[in-house]
Amino acid sequence: EDQVTQSPEALRLQEGESSSLNCSYTVSGLRGLFWYRQDPGKGPEFLFTLYSAGEEKEKERLKATLTKKESFLHITAPKPEDSATYLCAVQAEGNKLVFGAGTILRVKS
Amino acid sequence: DAGVTQSPTHLIKTRGQQVTLRCSPKSGHDTVSWYQQALGQGPQFIFQYYEEEERQRGNFPDRFSGHQFPNYSSELNVNALLLGDSALYLCASSLTGIHGYTFGSGTRLTVV
Repeated sequence: EDQVTQSPEALRLQEGESSSLNCSYTVSGLRGLFWYRQDPGKGPEFLFTLYSAGEEKEKERLKATLTKKESFLHITAPKPEDSATYLCAVQAEGNKLVFGAGTILRVKS
Repeated sequence: DAGVTQSPTHLIKTRGQQVTLRCSPKSGHDTVSWYQQALGQGPQFIFQYYEEEERQRGNFPDRFSGHQFPNYSSELNVNALLLGDSALYLCASSLTGIHGYTFGSGTRLTVV
C-alpha cells in the first residue's frame, strides 16, 4: 500500500534559523512527488513537483530534493510568513495523490 | 484567471441528513478530484471525475457519490451524514496528461 510519512510533526524555528522537513514514502511506481503549503482554513498551495531521484528545485527560501526513499524540504533563513503546514504527497497508480499528515512550521521573530 | 472555486465555504448539517458540495475547476482543466481532510490530517482521496465518469475511487463508502457536468464542474454528495464526516472537503482540478493539481479553498462541513 502506498504510504507517506512526514517528520517532524511540528517544528518551531527562530527567524533566520535554517532547517529541513522530511518526507519518507513507499510507493509502487512513483509518478511524481509533490510539496504543498497549507495555511489554516485554506486549500493546499502548490510548491514543487519532483519526478526522479537526484532532482532538486528551488523557490525563494525553499529547496526540495528527492531520493529513492525520501524527499527533503530545506528552508533557509525562514521568516514568520513561512509559518504554515507543509504537505508532501506522492502520485502513484492512476491519478490520486497520497498525502502525509504534514509538518506544522512556526517561525518566530 | 480564476482558480478552483468551491461552494459553500462553510456548512452545518445534522446527523442523517444529505449534503451537496460544488466545485468549478480552474479554467482549462478537465479533471476534478475530491479529497477529505480531517483536522490535523493530510487530505484523503475520495474520487476523481473525467469526461463525466468516475475514473478512480478511494476507500470511501457508497454514501459518497459525485457527478461531473459537461462544463467540467463537479458535485460531491454525501448521504446519511455521520459525525465522522465532519471535515474540510477539498476539490482539486487538473488537465489530463499534465501533472499538477490546483486546489480550492475547501468547504468546511460540520455534522452535529
